[in-house]
Amino acid sequence: DTAVSQTPKYLVTQMGNDKSIKCEQNLGHDTMYWYKQDSKKFLKIMFSYNNKELIINETVPNRFSPKSPDKAHLNLHINSLELGDSAVYFCASSAPQETQYFGPGTRLLVL
Amino acid sequence: GEDVEQSLFLSVREGDSSVINCTYTDSSSTYLYWYKQEPGAGLQLLTYIFSNMDMKQDQRLTVLLNKKDKHLSLRIADTQTGDSAIYFCAERDTGTASKLTFGTGTRLQVTL
Repeated sequence: DTAVSQTPKYLVTQMGNDKSIKCEQNLGHDTMYWYKQDSKKFLKIMFSYNNKELIINETVPNRFSPKSPDKAHLNLHINSLELGDSAVYFCASSAPQETQYFGPGTRLLVL
Repeated sequence: GEDVEQSLFLSVREGDSSVINCTYTDSSSTYLYWYKQEPGAGLQLLTYIFSNMDMKQDQRLTVLLNKKDKHLSLRIADTQTGDSAIYFCAERDTGTASKLTFGTGTRLQVTL
């Protein structure tokens, strides 16, 4: 009965590959987010969706494409992975303008 | 844009109080949050405070907000070894997007 879940937990891949990270929430929230945490632990918003509609798109390379098939899911697809994409990616969800609850993170390592 | 600053490291003895400080720049922030991240784990919401409050207490945690100085602090009473973690403050913007801007994180080390 995990509130916000992400798969996979760990992802190790080669440069140039394409990969996806999945996120699901069972809290009934309308809004979902992707954040990136770099090697220095700095956290920054990447995207936000409200009811399957993109509402935040920070300065993120267009190799990153979020997809929301329904309001309980927000997936992140990354094309042509680069070394600098190595990070921990966190999904979060909230009711509109309410507290955000985070998933356990996906640790991506690009070799 | 928003900017949130924290000191990087704090070391305290078990049983003492810890005070983690945070400064922010966005005067229109509505909510300010504290999250805890243990090694290899996700972000756990600890507490939050609304910007019209000065103080909020929740068991061992006390949050103080000085809105004039844009200063937020988290006090942990009777600090335990299980409190060792990185603590992030975050401000939430007032727009419909409600994105969080995080501080740099403070690594709390609790020694015996």
